[in-house]
Amino acid sequence: GAVVSQHPSRVICKSGTSVKIECRSLDFQATTMFWYRQFPKQSLMLMATSNEGSKATYEQGVEKDKFLINHASLTLSTLTVTSAHPEDSSFYICSASVRAYNEQFFGPGTRLTVL
Amino acid sequence: GIQVEQSPPDLILQEGANSTLRCNFSDSVNNLQWFHQNPWGQLINLFYIPSGTKQNGRLSATTVATERYSLLYISSSQTTDSGVYFCAVDSGTYKYIFGTGTRLKVLA
Repeated sequence: GAVVSQHPSRVICKSGTSVKIECRSLDFQATTMFWYRQFPKQSLMLMATSNEGSKATYEQGVEKDKFLINHASLTLSTLTVTSAHPEDSSFYICSASVRAYNEQFFGPGTRLTVL
Repeated sequence: GIQVEQSPPDLILQEGANSTLRCNFSDSVNNLQWFHQNPWGQLINLFYIPSGTKQNGRLSATTVATERYSLLYISSSQTTDSGVYFCAVDSGTYKYIFGTGTRLKVLA
């Protein structure tokens, strides 16, 4: 149980385009989902927290107009990187929990490369 | 905000050896998890352990919340244990702060 999927696993795009990443909880309903970013050989950094049916809460320094998050249902959250630039190239990982203060389960990650 | 430091940063072991990884945190925590990030980037839940001791096969973990540290023990290490080990803590904000990580390489 507690499986989280992400799609796509890898994406390469041209500078200026937008990319959407999906995060799904497959066997449980997730009231809260989290989006993280990880640069090579570094730790994970929390970007934003999303609760089903409400606006996402972004961490300091994360541009909400650039990283659009939608948590439309209890099993799906999406992250859209708008007008992507090479510096947005990174490994994006989502996690889901039944409640905000519970154990988190992580997706397999999406590797984004912006040319 | 809370600071999370892990040690050692890098560790090389021969297959079959035992090891202890440490996670120190600067404030009291409500939640603590240990993860193994495999070479493909997948984070695998090892333990949810805000306090106490748990064991799962060759792995065990202990969190001493009052002294603000957690330990992950790996016994009889195997090459498949290679990867990066992270602890992550939540100090009551419902947000995980990840530690600096321990990069483990197990040699055959």
